[in-house]
Parts: sequence; structure tokens; C-alpha cells
Amino acid sequence: GDSVTQMEGPVTLSEEAFLTINCTYTATGYPSLFWYVQYPGEGLQLLLKATKADDKGSNKGFEATYRKETTSFHLEKGSVQVSDSAVYFCALRVNTGNQFYFGTGTSLTVIP
Amino acid sequence: NAGVTQTPKFQVLKTGQSMTLQCAQDMNHNSMYWYRQDPGMGLRLIYYSASEGTTDKGEVPNGYNVSRLNKREFSLRLESAAPSQTSVYFCASSEVGQGSARGTQYFGPGTRLTVL
Repeated sequence: GDSVTQMEGPVTLSEEAFLTINCTYTATGYPSLFWYVQYPGEGLQLLLKATKADDKGSNKGFEATYRKETTSFHLEKGSVQVSDSAVYFCALRVNTGNQFYFGTGTSLTVIP
Repeated sequence: NAGVTQTPKFQVLKTGQSMTLQCAQDMNHNSMYWYRQDPGMGLRLIYYSASEGTTDKGEVPNGYNVSRLNKREFSLRLESAAPSQTSVYFCASSEVGQGSARGTQYFGPGTRLTVL
């Protein structure tokens, strides 16, 4: 079935460090891929998305590239800030259906 | 635009009590969803509604019922609450289809439910 596997946390980084959170997927169709961010006490917010192979989603300095050959959608940021501390979720939606599938989330803490 | 709103924000129930969580969206989306979020489990889909008048079970539907009252509103009911239903509940909505603006889920702020 359709599923998402993402890197387990928690992840702790110093400010200005490079961030990678790995995400791989299994899908029967041609999925759209998403990264959502959840700040403490809040709901999930869309961070970025990609709807077809080789697309790159980007927002707020974060990037992720849809790699069909490796079934991956890894999240990267070149220089993290304290304000990036949050939980990050990878998700997919198969274009033939209405359901979304989420990873278990990766908690990121950035220390000054 | 308020987006997706949920009420209440917090609730404490005793085992066996019932309650309804309310959700509304003002984005004219066809699809709506209920998730629960538990530590280490990520988000798990309880029920979803692809369009007004339809509902379908997700991964963890036992102990819950839903009603798609109209295009805007999608409620989740716990008929007899159990401690295992202690969780954070999120409602979401989306359009369905291709394109950069479509197919994205928008989430409400959540309801934190404790069952004693």
C-alpha cells in the first residue's frame, strides 16, 4: 500500500548548521509529495510541495526534490535558525485518491 | 478567510461520556478529514469525506462516527469515550486534483482531548 517513511528524531542542531531530513515513499500511483511543519501547540502548515518527478519545492529556505528513481523527497536547509524548531512531516497523496499518508514526524530543535 | 476552524480547543471527559468535535472550513473545499495525533505515531486518519454526502473509514475508525453536515462542516463524535481516545484531533480540508494550488491539505488548530 501507499506509505511514507521518514527519518526518526529527535534532531538537535546548532544555529546555522545544515539540515537534512530523509523521506522515502511507496505509492501505487503517481503521488504528489508534501512537507508540513508543526510548531508547538499548533496545527500542521504546508511548508512545500512537489507534484511530479524532478520538481523541486521550496519555501523559507527549505528545499526538497521529488526523486522518482529513489522514491525520495528529502528536506534540506542550508542554515537553520532557532525559529525552525518544530516537527516536520513528510506526506504523500496519490493522484487517483483522496487520502493523504503521513510519516511519523521528525522533531527538530535548533540551539543558539 | 478563517481557513479551518475547530471547537473546542480543549476537552476533558470521563470514560463513557460522549461528545462531538466540530470542524468548519470556508475555502469551498470538497474533501474533509479527521486525524488523531499521538506521540510516536504521527497522524492517523480516522474518517474522511470526499464530498458532501459521502464519508469513508480511514485507518482507525473504531469508536468514532462522523457527519458531513454540509459542504462546510464535518463533525466527529465519540459515543462512549475511552482513555485510549486521549489524543490531539485535527480536522483538515482539501481540494482534489492536479495543479499547484490543489490537492494541498489545510489543517485546523486541533482539539486536545483527555479521557479520564
